[in-house]
Amino acid sequence: AQTVTQSQPEMSVQEAETVTLSCTYDTSESDYYLFWYKQPPSRQMILVIRQEAYKQQNATENRFSVNFQKAAKSFSLKISDSQLGDAAMYFCAYRNTNAGKSTFGDGTTLTVKP
Amino acid sequence: DAGVTQSPTHLIKTRGQQVTLRCSPKSGHDTVSWYQQALGQGPQFIFQYYEEEERQRGNFPDRFSGHQFPNYSSELNVNALLLGDSALYLCASSRDSRYYNEQFFGPGTRLTVL
Repeated sequence: AQTVTQSQPEMSVQEAETVTLSCTYDTSESDYYLFWYKQPPSRQMILVIRQEAYKQQNATENRFSVNFQKAAKSFSLKISDSQLGDAAMYFCAYRNTNAGKSTFGDGTTLTVKP
Repeated sequence: DAGVTQSPTHLIKTRGQQVTLRCSPKSGHDTVSWYQQALGQGPQFIFQYYEEEERQRGNFPDRFSGHQFPNYSSELNVNALLLGDSALYLCASSRDSRYYNEQFFGPGTRLTVL
């Protein structure tokens, strides 16, 4: 069974600074998807960024980028120029390519200090 | 496009009762997945419905059952409620495809069992 581990329950960053959230996963599959989701207090889970395992190039979405290390099964999220609106719970998730279930980590609560 | 909608927003039940939660998928989506998110944890996969049938199931007891209607909307039923069933229940919809299909999440239903 796949597992996802987020070892940082809480992180904080100063506004306009950069922060990196860590995620490791375990799988025997060679092809899969990895995601970072943001869940603000409003509870709506929002997709931040996704990475296809077959792609060597790290995904980037504006201020958000990932460092995908397939051999190490590591998938970290870097948030540049942090903004107050980035404060939320961030979840790392794994999904097989058969479009079935997603497996989530337990999340990292990010606080952004003004 | 209204996105994924869920009802009700909040629900309070007592132990032993039964509850039904509802989900309407995003327009154009035919696959619905349900997740349970306990406080301070990541979402756990309950099951997924496609073409009105349960296609995949997580490690949840038979007290958790579901249904998908011809219009792709879905219900989650939980019988004989336990205190441990208190959680945020998330619905996610996607379009069944051999290619990547993004899951869109609803705002969730907060269930409290007393």
